Amino acid sequence: GESVGLHLPTLSVQEGDNSIINCAYSNSASDYFIWYKQESGKGPQFIIDIRSNMDKRQGQRVTVLLNKTVKHLSLQIAATQPGDSAVYFCAETLYGGSQGNLIFGKGTKLSVKP
Amino acid sequence: DAGVTQSPTHLIKTRGQQVTLRCSPKSGHDTVSWYQQALGQGPQFIFQYYEEEERQRGNFPDRFSGHQFPNYSSELNVNALLLGDSALYLCASSVSGQPQHFGDGTRLSIL
Repeated sequence: GESVGLHLPTLSVQEGDNSIINCAYSNSASDYFIWYKQESGKGPQFIIDIRSNMDKRQGQRVTVLLNKTVKHLSLQIAATQPGDSAVYFCAETLYGGSQGNLIFGKGTKLSVKP
Repeated sequence: DAGVTQSPTHLIKTRGQQVTLRCSPKSGHDTVSWYQQALGQGPQFIFQYYEEEERQRGNFPDRFSGHQFPNYSSELNVNALLLGDSALYLCASSVSGQPQHFGDGTRLSIL
């Protein structure tokens, strides 16, 4: 079916540690994936995206890994900071690339302990 | 450079009423998508507008309709409101090849 899910609903990490948020997707035809961060009372904020012809992409303190063999997506945050505390969503599109309708999972709440 | 702006931020309506939500896209963006986010859930795609036409539509009833204006801004209309329509309504704008950027949404409460 068309669904994007997350392995862990909550994640608690110590400030300064690295965080890894995981996501499973079910449709092998999905061609675009994206991570958003959503703070309380705010809309989703773009973090990083990756197309299906890539398996890794790096940004500032963040890395997204795509494993098409097992249909798995992960977001790695280096040196996690208190400001990283939020709900993180992965999303995919089946067609249309970045312009397609985003299919979201339920989200993972990241809590950073000082 | 202003990002995606939505109005109003909060709205309270009663069952059976109609509502109009507004969205101004980020500068340079020509595509607007609308999403509904229930409490504790991920956003769900409603529809997308490009060149003033509905280009894609999600699994939402005809009570949900929209419009895009020549300046790329957009409206979402919901008729015959139901209690289950209570949610955060998000607008996202984009341009070809670029990720979708979201506004902070309109919180709609139905009494």
